[in-house]
Amino acid sequence: EPEVTQTPSHQVTQMGQEVILRCVPISNHLYFYWYRQILGQKVEFLVSFYNNEISEKSEIFDDQFSVERPDGSNFTLKIRSTKLEDSAMYFCASSDSGRGTDTGELFFGEGSRLTVL
Amino acid sequence: LAKTTQPISMDSYEGQEVNITCSHNNIATNDYITWYQQFPSQGPRFIIQGYKTKVTNEVASLFIPADRKSSTLSLPRVSLSDTAVYYCLVGDYDQAGTALIFGKGTTLSVSS
Repeated sequence: EPEVTQTPSHQVTQMGQEVILRCVPISNHLYFYWYRQILGQKVEFLVSFYNNEISEKSEIFDDQFSVERPDGSNFTLKIRSTKLEDSAMYFCASSDSGRGTDTGELFFGEGSRLTVL
Repeated sequence: LAKTTQPISMDSYEGQEVNITCSHNNIATNDYITWYQQFPSQGPRFIIQGYKTKVTNEVASLFIPADRKSSTLSLPRVSLSDTAVYYCLVGDYDQAGTALIFGKGTTLSVSS
């Protein structure tokens, strides 16, 4: 069964450092998303991406965040200068379509745990 | 997006049927009702989606009354492995790439 894969599974970084989280969405999917979940809290939407540009973003997704699809398979989330409060599990997701009779189902990866010290 | 309200937590025993109800009074005509499940340290996973009446798959059933202002996820004969957080989401899936907005969900604890 196709799946969304994420790397690294866990990254520890110092405050102020740049971090890149990588995702390989399901191959025929067109819509890509990043979510985060701080320990013990709800899953929060960060950004959605379609046709090589951002479709929607939340208030959390400020100037320190960026997303990119550098090639035909990877989808990355960059955090420019990490802060302690960026410590969370980051989930990548993809979907094929939200139109018509499709369910708009999002397929989530296993997550990348980011720890900022 | 329609606001949803669901219980914070529920407890059950193995073999019982569990029903989790979600309220969504402001649901719009184009909105679908979708449920996701999340195990600890894993990403959410789609369970079921419906628009009206009843939908059943191999995992669960979804009951939606005629006014669509609420919905009930029914898990038959739960096991310990059904212990998870269950999220009710309402949104217009006819809009391409609609982002899902998660609430706090219902934490289901199944005991033996």
